[in-house]
Amino acid sequence: QVQLVQSGTEVKKPGASVKVSCKTSGYTFTNYGFTWVRQAPGQGLEWMGWISPYNGNTNYAQKFQGRVTMTTDTSTSTAYLELRSLRSDDTALYYCARDWNKYGGSYYSDYWGQGTLVTVSS
Amino acid sequence: EIVLSQSPGTLSLSPGEGATLSCRASQSVMSNYLAWYQQKPGQAPRLLIYAASSRATGIPDRFGGSGSVTDFTLTISRLEPEDFAVYYCQQYGSSPITFGQGTRLEIK
Repeated sequence: QVQLVQSGTEVKKPGASVKVSCKTSGYTFTNYGFTWVRQAPGQGLEWMGWISPYNGNTNYAQKFQGRVTMTTDTSTSTAYLELRSLRSDDTALYYCARDWNKYGGSYYSDYWGQGTLVTVSS
Repeated sequence: EIVLSQSPGTLSLSPGEGATLSCRASQSVMSNYLAWYQQKPGQAPRLLIYAASSRATGIPDRFGGSGSVTDFTLTISRLEPEDFAVYYCQQYGSSPITFGQGTRLEIK
């Protein structure tokens, strides 16, 4: 069965960087894209961007341009999200999700990881 | 950026009743690329509907999606206890992808 398993809770100081991993199994990694979505405590869902393991294309939300890098490792079927220059308002639950668009942009997501809590605090 | 406005903010209903949730876009959603998700406390979102009206795999037929252009609706007939959750709409026709602020469906 399809599974996305994310790395564990992170606590970071303002200005630091965090890298979250999302290891997949149960399907052909390069046949789908990945979307990263975050959810601040008690808030709604915020799209951060998309990456294709198929062709390496990315599409980042303008809000995160320059601070975010999404990558994939096809040898381990793992996707990564790196967010730099962390601020307190980056405290959130970060989700990876399998995206039905593998070519360009982002569509809808049918399988999600369990979420990784990133807390930014001095 | 397309802004999605969901209404009502909170909907209080009893099991067995029907629910109608609305999602209105600030501009046309290209190709009716509109999805609905359900999220329960402590869980990741679950895809219910894509392309405005197509049910995702394994979703019961009491969930239905309709609408086009800027006005979309999620209908849940005969509410079951497990249906009480927060529901989000998402448009994926234009970048950036955007979500509505959510509708909380609570037990009356």
